[in-house]
Amino acid sequence: DTGVSQDPRHKITKRGQNVTFRCDPISEHNRLYWYRQTLGQGPEFLTYFQNEAQLEKSRLLSDRFSAERPKGSFSTLEIQRTEQGDSAMYLCASSLATGNEQFFGPGTRLTVL
Amino acid sequence: LAKTTQPISMDSYEGQEVNITCSHNNIATNDYITWYQQFPSQGPRFIIQGYKTKVTNEVASLFIPADRKSSTLSLPRVSLSDTAVYYCLASPGGDDKIIFGKGTRLHILP
Repeated sequence: DTGVSQDPRHKITKRGQNVTFRCDPISEHNRLYWYRQTLGQGPEFLTYFQNEAQLEKSRLLSDRFSAERPKGSFSTLEIQRTEQGDSAMYLCASSLATGNEQFFGPGTRLTVL
Repeated sequence: LAKTTQPISMDSYEGQEVNITCSHNNIATNDYITWYQQFPSQGPRFIIQGYKTKVTNEVASLFIPADRKSSTLSLPRVSLSDTAVYYCLASPGGDDKIIFGKGTRLHILP
């Protein structure tokens, strides 16, 4: 296993379009997290899953954002009607349920024009 | 989750030992101190975690005094490749999410 992977690495879209990102966690990890990071700031927590259950959502996750992990493996994060303020790096991480260490992917950089 | 405070930036030279201090005055009894490293255009990477006294691994050492209101990440003999942002976190062990601050931008000079 080569770690957490994310696809695409970069996405440029026009305001108002929908985008979807994919995250593939480390195979034996049952927890999966999404974070958003803007320039000069640390990552901000968005949501996390334990297996296929979404257990917590940040208030940052407006109704335009939705995340799924249908089979408890990969996850998708969709942003509908994108806004320029959505431009950021979207990071995915995974961990064991009993572990303290989260393993991060390389991120998807979103630019909304 | 306990708030942490760390310097915004630090400079050092290759071969030096670098110590980054983090304060967490309102740390809770069940909080652990964790440090992550982040390079540009990459996700954060776990460095080290501790609860009290001293923890050492192949990358760094973490010193936590008895009152646990602060901690110090020590990087021995840094190289240019240690230039990164370092985040200090105080959160319950096995916590579900991580609250990052702005971190410390460490710049290693030749």
